[in-house]
Amino acid sequence: GAGVSQTPSNKVTEKGKYVELRCDPISGHTALYWYRQSLGQGPEFLIYFQGTGAADDSGLPNDRFFAVRPEGSVSTLKIQRTERGDSAMYLCASSLGPGDEQFFGPGTRLTVL
Amino acid sequence: GENVEQHPSTLSVQEGDSAVIKCTYSDSASNYFPWYKQELGKRPQLIIDIRSNVGEKKDQRIAVTLNKTAKHFSLHITETQPEDSAVYFCAASSHFQKLVFGTGTRLLVSP
Repeated sequence: GAGVSQTPSNKVTEKGKYVELRCDPISGHTALYWYRQSLGQGPEFLIYFQGTGAADDSGLPNDRFFAVRPEGSVSTLKIQRTERGDSAMYLCASSLGPGDEQFFGPGTRLTVL
Repeated sequence: GENVEQHPSTLSVQEGDSAVIKCTYSDSASNYFPWYKQELGKRPQLIIDIRSNVGEKKDQRIAVTLNKTAKHFSLHITETQPEDSAVYFCAASSHFQKLVFGTGTRLLVSP
């Protein structure tokens, strides 16, 4: 079956702009995670959804970052007033349930000029 | 919060040799320890994982060991092949939720 997909694959924006990154999890997976990966580093946790609700948003760096999953499937990560330091690969992962293997998407590479 | 340290940062071996990557974690509540392989420009892919009620797990040429008392776990790859070249990340999780990753090990297997 289809794996986790993310769109766009690349996003270039200017400092101060608003961006939305989309994640389509594997069908039937109830858990969804967002991570951010800077060059040469491991993925860094941002937020975890169980169903429609954010079960853990402790990794969001500040209030410019927000994520939603209104119907318990597709999720959107929203970044307001982007800064150059937001440039990174944004990875989404999903799992059948909490504690199950997390399958990663191909990521969205965000570049803030 | 959880902190995961990973060593070495780079590892070069000859084809056929064994490779060992070590990780330590800080949160004694952590109970799930996966290892991911990430090839250049690709997504991380799970290669093996271990839960805290098990001390060792093996899958063909790959094995993982866990020492809960010392809070460290290791990845062992035997009979390495050039296609094993990639960046490997360890991770730890408590309550089966978010993963906290190590900083990665770049493995280079030379023919």
